Amino acid sequence: QSALTQPPSASGSPGQSVTISCTGTSSDVGGYNYVSWYQQHPGEAPKLMIYEVSKRPSGVPDRFSGSKSGNTASLTVSGLQAEDEADYYCSSYAGSTVFGTGTKVTVL
Amino acid sequence: QVQLVESGGGLVKPGGSLRLSCAASGFSFSDYYMSWIRQAPGKGLEWVSYISSSGSNIYYADSVKGRFTISRDNAKNSLYLQMNSLRAEDTAVYYCASLNSNYAAFDIWGQGTMVTVSS
Repeated sequence: QSALTQPPSASGSPGQSVTISCTGTSSDVGGYNYVSWYQQHPGEAPKLMIYEVSKRPSGVPDRFSGSKSGNTASLTVSGLQAEDEADYYCSSYAGSTVFGTGTKVTVL
Repeated sequence: QVQLVESGGGLVKPGGSLRLSCAASGFSFSDYYMSWIRQAPGKGLEWVSYISSSGSNIYYADSVKGRFTISRDNAKNSLYLQMNSLRAEDTAVYYCASLNSNYAAFDIWGQGTMVTVSS
């Protein structure tokens, strides 16, 4: 399976919103509601932020939201804060797991 | 405290072998699918392998199939990855992670162990 496609970078000022896309195919993103998003700060392990397209684990701020349309999933971070600056990866289950190429979010 | 701790990484020559371990604590390890995921330096995440809670179902990425073997010991709350015929492109941080099979997401991650394949 090929990696899901994400933009390399995204940015926004504190308080603004940023949306990251994750494009796959009908065999992965479009075929299952098992899209997840992970946040990774430098030198740290990834952290689950969104599962099943739009659900948040306990402890994840509601500033983080997810959605999906067709073969493209999206993560929106509203009310950007300095600590949101990190790499973000999507993933989709499709028999096995495929990750996205990753997006570096910069808070200006 | 829910925790996964990897060990066993290091420097190995091309063609060599290495065995990674992952010790779990703070949750019911034997109820969870477990996985290895790797990240090459400066690169993205790559899923490597899954093993079911009982160990009866195992899956590998094509890039490691036939070279890597995942296993677990539920009595010891431990996950393993035997890596043989290592290549330079296997150089990465290797993370163990629990897979919540209800929603197919990795909800607990270890801190990772570095594997470097170089002569």
